[in-house]
Amino acid sequence: GNSVTQMEGPVTLSEEAFLTINCTYTATGYPSLFWYVQYPGEGLQLLLKATKADDKGSNKGFEATYRKETTSFHLEKGSVQVSDSAVYFCALTQGGQNFVFGPGTRLSVLP
Amino acid sequence: NAGVTQTPKFQVLKTGQSMTLQCAQDMNHNSMYWYRQDPGMGLRLIYYSASEGTTDKGEVPNGYNVSRLNKREFSLRLESAAPSQTSVYFCASSEPRDGHGYTFGSGTRLTVV
Repeated sequence: GNSVTQMEGPVTLSEEAFLTINCTYTATGYPSLFWYVQYPGEGLQLLLKATKADDKGSNKGFEATYRKETTSFHLEKGSVQVSDSAVYFCALTQGGQNFVFGPGTRLSVLP
Repeated sequence: NAGVTQTPKFQVLKTGQSMTLQCAQDMNHNSMYWYRQDPGMGLRLIYYSASEGTTDKGEVPNGYNVSRLNKREFSLRLESAAPSQTSVYFCASSEPRDGHGYTFGSGTRLTVV
């Protein structure tokens, strides 16, 4: 079945550092890929998405590129802020239903 | 512009008690979902409803029942709560055809003592 693997956290960075959170997936066919963010005490919010190979999703300075050859969708940001501290989930879906989520990566950004 | 609304936000139950978690969405989405989130386990699908009138089991359905009351509402019932059901529960909805992904509620933190 489909699955998503994320790098283990927690990830701790200083403000303005470069961020990469790795995500790889296993799926048949051509899934759509998503990153969700969960701030403390809140539900998950859609951060960005990509629906086909080589698409780049971007939002709030975060980017991720759908790489079919490496089955990856790594999340990057050039300069993190304290307000980016949250848990980040990589996810996939085929057909728009029944998303499969990775375990989440907790990011802490220190001032 | 409420999105997905869950009630209650917090609940403490004694072992063996029953309760229903409520979820409503105002986006006219066809699909609705219940997940539980536990430390180190990520999100696990309990039940889902692809469309009004249908429900299906997810990864961890034991000990739960659901009702898709109408297109807007999808409730989750614990008939006899157990400490293993202590968790944070999230409801989500989606419209698969629009490709926009899930919209999540803010969660219900349930403790069973």
